[in-house]
Amino acid sequence: EDQVTQSPEALRLQEGESSSLNCSYTVSGLRGLFWYRQDPGKGPEFLFTLYSAGEEKEKERLKATLTKKESFLHITAPKPEDSATYLCAVQAGVGGSNYKLTFGKGTLLTVNP
Amino acid sequence: KAGVTQTPRYLIKTRGQQVTLSCSPISGHRSVSWYQQTPGQGLQFLFEYFSETQRNKGNFPGRFSGRQFSNSRSEMNVSTLELGDSALYLCASSLGLTNEKLFFGSGTQLSVL
Repeated sequence: EDQVTQSPEALRLQEGESSSLNCSYTVSGLRGLFWYRQDPGKGPEFLFTLYSAGEEKEKERLKATLTKKESFLHITAPKPEDSATYLCAVQAGVGGSNYKLTFGKGTLLTVNP
Repeated sequence: KAGVTQTPRYLIKTRGQQVTLSCSPISGHRSVSWYQQTPGQGLQFLFEYFSETQRNKGNFPGRFSGRQFSNSRSEMNVSTLELGDSALYLCASSLGLTNEKLFFGSGTQLSVL
C-alpha cells in the first residue's frame, strides 16, 4: 500500500526565516509526486509536480526537490502570506489511465510578521 | 475561466439519511475525482470518473457511490449516513491525462448529527 508521511506536522517561522518541509514516501512505481497548498476553507491548490529523482522546481520563494525516498519543499525568506497547509501526494502504479493520488496529512505552516 | 464548483457548500444531516453532493468541473475537463478530508485521516481518495465511467475506486464502503454525466458534471451519494462520514468532500477535475495536476473545488462540508 502506498504511504506518504509529512513532517513536521506544524511549523512556525518568523518572516524571513528559511526552512524545509519533508515528504517521505513508499510506493510501487512512482509516476509523479505533487505538492499542493491549502488555505483554510478552500480546496488544495497545485504547486509542483516532480517525476524523477534529482528533479527540482521553483516558484517564487518555494523550491521542491525529489529523491528516491523523499521530497523537500524549501521555503526561502517566507512571508506571512505563505502561511497555509502544504500537502504532498504521490501517484503510483503501473500502466493504465487511472488517476489516484495518495496524500500525506500535511504540514501546517505559520509565518509570523 | 470558471473553476471547479461544488454545491452545496455546507450540509447538515442526521444519521441514517442519505446525501447527494454535486460537482461541476472546469469547462473541457473530462475527469472528475472525489476525495474525503478529515483532520485525522487527511485527504483520502474516493473515486474517479472519466467520460462517464468509473476509472478507479478507493477503499470506502459501498455506501459511497458516484456518477458522471455526459457534460462531465459529477455527483456523489452517501447512503445511510454515519457520524464518521462528517468531513469535507472535495471534488477535483482534470483533462484526464496521466500525471497532470488536479484542480480542486472548495468542497462541501458535511456534518452528520
